[in-house]
Amino acid sequence: ETGVTQTPRHLVMGMTNKKSLKCEQHLGHNAMYWYKQSAKKPLELMFVYSLEERVENNSVPSRFSPECPNSSHLFLHLHTLQPEDSALYLCASSQDGGGYNEQFFGPGTRLTVL
Amino acid sequence: AQRVTQPEKLLSVFKGAPVELKCNYSYSGSPELFWYVQYSRQRLQLLLRHISRESIKGFTADLNKGETSFHLKKPFAQEEDSAMYYCALRDSNYQLIWGAGTKLIIKP
Repeated sequence: ETGVTQTPRHLVMGMTNKKSLKCEQHLGHNAMYWYKQSAKKPLELMFVYSLEERVENNSVPSRFSPECPNSSHLFLHLHTLQPEDSALYLCASSQDGGGYNEQFFGPGTRLTVL
Repeated sequence: AQRVTQPEKLLSVFKGAPVELKCNYSYSGSPELFWYVQYSRQRLQLLLRHISRESIKGFTADLNKGETSFHLKKPFAQEEDSAMYYCALRDSNYQLIWGAGTKLIIKP
C-alpha cells in the first residue's frame, strides 16, 4: 500500500457508540492532519501533529480525540457524537508540518451518526 | 481575519472554452496560495502553488495582491478537467485555510 490509507472507508454509528478512525501514511512524512469535510462547507482543519506532537487543535469538541503513536499512524477516537458530526473525515500528511509543503490526502472515511 | 472565498459553487463551460475559477483571499501578511483538485472518485491532490509559477495540465494561476485574488485559468477546457477545485491559503501558523470549493463541469 502506498500513499495515505484510511480505514474504515464507511462508518455508521449511533450517538452512544465509541469508534476509531485510522490513518496510515507510507510516505515518510513527519506531519499528519485530520480534516472534516461537510457538504457545502469549506474543509475544516481539526488536528495537526508534527513529529508526533499535537501542534494545532482548532477548537474541536472533546468528543473527538486524536492519537498519534508514531509518525506513520494517526487515529481519531469518537464517542458520543451528534448527527451534525456526520461528514467525510480526511487524513493528510506532509513533510515538515508546514502548509507550504504539499499535503497528501487519504480517501477519507464517510461517517454517518444516527 | 484570514479567509479564502470561492464565489462560484458550480461552473459549467463547454469543451474548448476558456475556464476561470475565482479565488479571493483576505490575509494581512505575504500570502502563500495553492490550488488543490479532486477528480471524481479520486483523492484531493495539489494542482499548483503560486510560488512555483508553474503550469499544470494547462492551468495557471497568478497572484494579484492588489485585487487579493488567485484565479485559476485554462485557455481551452477539456472534459477531463471536470472536478472539484479548492483554493487554499497558508496562514501564519503554516496551516492551510480552505475555500469552499468550485465544482467545474466541462460539457462536451
